[in-house]
Amino acid sequence: KNEVEQSPQNLTAQEGEFITINCSYSVGISALHWLQQHPGGGIVSLFMLSSGKKKHGRLIATINIQEKHSSLHITASHPRDSAVYICAVLLNYGGSQGNLIFGKGTKLSVKP
Amino acid sequence: DTGVSQNPRHKITKRGQNVTFRCDPISEHNRLYWYRQTLGQGPEFLTYFQNEAQLEKSRLLSDRFSAERPKGSFSTLEIQRTEQGDSAMYLCASSLTPRAEKLFFGSGTQLSVL
Repeated sequence: KNEVEQSPQNLTAQEGEFITINCSYSVGISALHWLQQHPGGGIVSLFMLSSGKKKHGRLIATINIQEKHSSLHITASHPRDSAVYICAVLLNYGGSQGNLIFGKGTKLSVKP
Repeated sequence: DTGVSQNPRHKITKRGQNVTFRCDPISEHNRLYWYRQTLGQGPEFLTYFQNEAQLEKSRLLSDRFSAERPKGSFSTLEIQRTEQGDSAMYLCASSLTPRAEKLFFGSGTQLSVL
């Protein structure tokens, strides 16, 4: 079992729909990142969360530390939101900031 | 443009050859990370630097892999005696501090080992 699980793996939506992507993890973390990867490899960091909720434009990210779960929501989705969304957790151990463990990503396709 | 530059963008090599990739992070960033990504998978951590010190290496980083950041600025990742299984996208990222809000990724180097 992967330490970071994302669902769904693939998601197709119509323009304007509200989208939710989920991330569950099984390890102790100090923070969680949501990343966006476009075709060709470029990765953009969207959020880093350690508690609660963050909002940036049409994107909202939440995290529940007790339940080891995070969600990324996209309101009023648009075809330009089509990308792979990756959840990554920052391990917290031994005083070191450790490293990131990534989920496999959720491929989102928004149709006009 | 994220500000992190990786070269080359693509590298095709024959099995057994050595390859070296370069990453230039954002200039004031202390932290530099190397990741590897294969098709359909999320990135996997390889190693990271705090300034010039290599603080952690993944078990994925066999003795054929070596990374340096000699002056705490750019970094190189060398793979010796490449194998077909080394074919992947090699990503570099940097951040200002260990707990910085954002990681800044380069566009990656796509390695194909024939």
